[in-house]
Amino acid sequence: ETGVTQSPTHLIKTRGQQVTLRCSSQSGHNTVSWYQQALGQGPQFIFQYYREEENGRGNFPPRFSGLQFPNYSSELNVNALELDDSALYLCASSLLAGRSTDTQYFGPGTRLTVL
Amino acid sequence: GENVEQHPSTLSVQEGDSAVIKCTYSDSASNYFPWYKQELGKRPQLIIDIRSNVGEKKDQRIAVTLNKTAKHFSLHITETQPEDSAVYFCAARGNTGRRALTFGSGTRLQVQP
Repeated sequence: ETGVTQSPTHLIKTRGQQVTLRCSSQSGHNTVSWYQQALGQGPQFIFQYYREEENGRGNFPPRFSGLQFPNYSSELNVNALELDDSALYLCASSLLAGRSTDTQYFGPGTRLTVL
Repeated sequence: GENVEQHPSTLSVQEGDSAVIKCTYSDSASNYFPWYKQELGKRPQLIIDIRSNVGEKKDQRIAVTLNKTAKHFSLHITETQPEDSAVYFCAARGNTGRRALTFGSGTRLQVQP
């Protein structure tokens, strides 16, 4: 198992609400990437944080936002929830530096259900 | 942007047989290709990866091959076991700028005992 943890495990929200998901990266890693995995599909890239700055973003609207903290843990915030936001949210941590392999290791995910 | 296609979507084999999953990618600048295994309700786990300066990599019963000219890469599992049953995802990533993984749609592998 990786050292990447996520909380909460499951979450149920209603349309229009806001949600915050949390990720603790593996020790020694400085980069966190967030992915959305809808049922039966592959993960889709939301954004990546490197040293507390956004380092790239996928095709997700601005109501998806994030933060990375000095200890490299991260938050994903989603405002104005829609039914289609129901999915498994995965974070992946990696070490982005010099000759590092930059391999991404996933956390267990947060299952978000929007009613 | 990058687009990754994965085939087949489902694959059923008898225990002891080999399984092959194929992926193609669109961005010739992609240079890193990992494979993840995801069991039901669990996180994707890296099982093997390959970089563009290598054509083949093996780890026990698992191997990956890469053809950069044709922009395709494949996962080979030999001597399959029931515990190999899971969904397998291929992915591709570029070397500059946004270092995001673009995933295929997944292959559900069922190994029949």
